[in-house]
Amino acid sequence: DAGVIQSPRHEVTEMGQEVTLRCKPISGHNSLFWYRQTMMRGLELLIYFNNNVPIDDSGMPEDRFSAKMPNASFSTLKIQPSEPRDSAVYFCASRPGAANTEAFFGQGTRLTVV
Amino acid sequence: GEDVEQSLFLSVREGDSSVINCTYTDSSSTYLYWYKQEPGAGLQLLTYIFSNMDMKQDQRLTVLLNKKDKHLSLRIADTQTGDSAIYFCAERGGGATNKLIFGTGTLLAVQP
Repeated sequence: DAGVIQSPRHEVTEMGQEVTLRCKPISGHNSLFWYRQTMMRGLELLIYFNNNVPIDDSGMPEDRFSAKMPNASFSTLKIQPSEPRDSAVYFCASRPGAANTEAFFGQGTRLTVV
Repeated sequence: GEDVEQSLFLSVREGDSSVINCTYTDSSSTYLYWYKQEPGAGLQLLTYIFSNMDMKQDQRLTVLLNKKDKHLSLRIADTQTGDSAIYFCAERGGGATNKLIFGTGTLLAVQP
């Protein structure tokens, strides 16, 4: 299995532009998480899906952020419009099911908004 | 609410033991985890402990859990330079969400 796949690995964009981050979870995994990592805030949970349904989006910073999971094999995190303070590494993770213990992380997308 | 805290930095010499500490607030946590992040990489699960256990040993790793004080520690015996990384403590909350909440991470620097 290729693991959790995120794309792109790096993204540099201008302030005000729309950014879409993509994630392909491990096949068969029912839970998917989006995290943001910064030096100041550490690793923050943004949103959590179970069986493609958003369960908890309380970590989404503001309305500029949205996440979708149209099917079990794909999720997107969109920022529109982007701002310099959104610069961070965004991680996607998946877990086999709610009862399982381990979440598997992707390599992350490093987003830089200039 | 949920909050997980760790010290930011730990420096040890190669061959010594490292102890990384973590405190959490959610008393309904079911599992507690230690993840390792190497530079430029994602997080990798090292070990975990179920909340009704107080100790777990896995080769060079020993996890201690004090549920009363909500304190978790990771001991790495015979620390090697390859152990240099950021170590994250995480709790899995109880209830319906089962979400993972991570600590701030502890940067472990191993001096040769």
